[in-house]
Amino acid sequence: EVHLVESGGGLIQPGGSLRLSCAASGFNLTNYGLNWVRQAPGKGLEWISYFTTSGTIYYADSVKGRSTVSRDNVKNSLYLHMNSLTVDDSAVYFCARDSLEDDAFHMWGQGTMVTVSS
Amino acid sequence: EIVLTQSPDFQSVTPKEKVTITCRASQSIGFALHWYQQKPHQSPKLLIKYASQSISGVPSRFSGSGSGTDFTLTINSLEAEDAAAYYCHQSISLPVTFGQGTKLEIK
Repeated sequence: EVHLVESGGGLIQPGGSLRLSCAASGFNLTNYGLNWVRQAPGKGLEWISYFTTSGTIYYADSVKGRSTVSRDNVKNSLYLHMNSLTVDDSAVYFCARDSLEDDAFHMWGQGTMVTVSS
Repeated sequence: EIVLTQSPDFQSVTPKEKVTITCRASQSIGFALHWYQQKPHQSPKLLIKYASQSISGVPSRFSGSGSGTDFTLTINSLEAEDAAAYYCHQSISLPVTFGQGTKLEIK
């Protein structure tokens, strides 16, 4: 079965850091563009990062400078590391994949919840 | 950054009704506009890509149109299972952006 599974969410104190994982099954991650998208409680979707097939990484201004996205080709997984967290970073974090032909987000994981609170 | 503005924000509709949701871009994006459906506690699901291209497995009552700055998602003969939030998304330039969402309630 082809799918994405995020993990690593939880309760984090302000100023702390997160490390989220997105594991792919049934396909090779290196063949696709991969995105991190987050959704604050009751709010809309916010794009935060794009990892291209060639390994170029783009970040939204809201996370640039405090985030690092990486890919492990052996584990077929994508990672998001973010530090200096504030309450505004509380959200469900999704990874999303494009297709071989276009850059719509064809596949999404189920998401992992991050709560930043003291 | 390209801003996408959806209307309406909320709509209460009855089954079998025809629903139209619009998405307006702050600058021309050609056809690089996609639509997603998100049901409560689920991840988004791609409904329409590149303004009007259908997606395998998506019911034929969902259709899209438009180009440039004005786009429309149409749901013909609404069903109860269509209760969800709907989002447009542009991929012409980074940062990619989403509309604020339209919540559909079924009466």
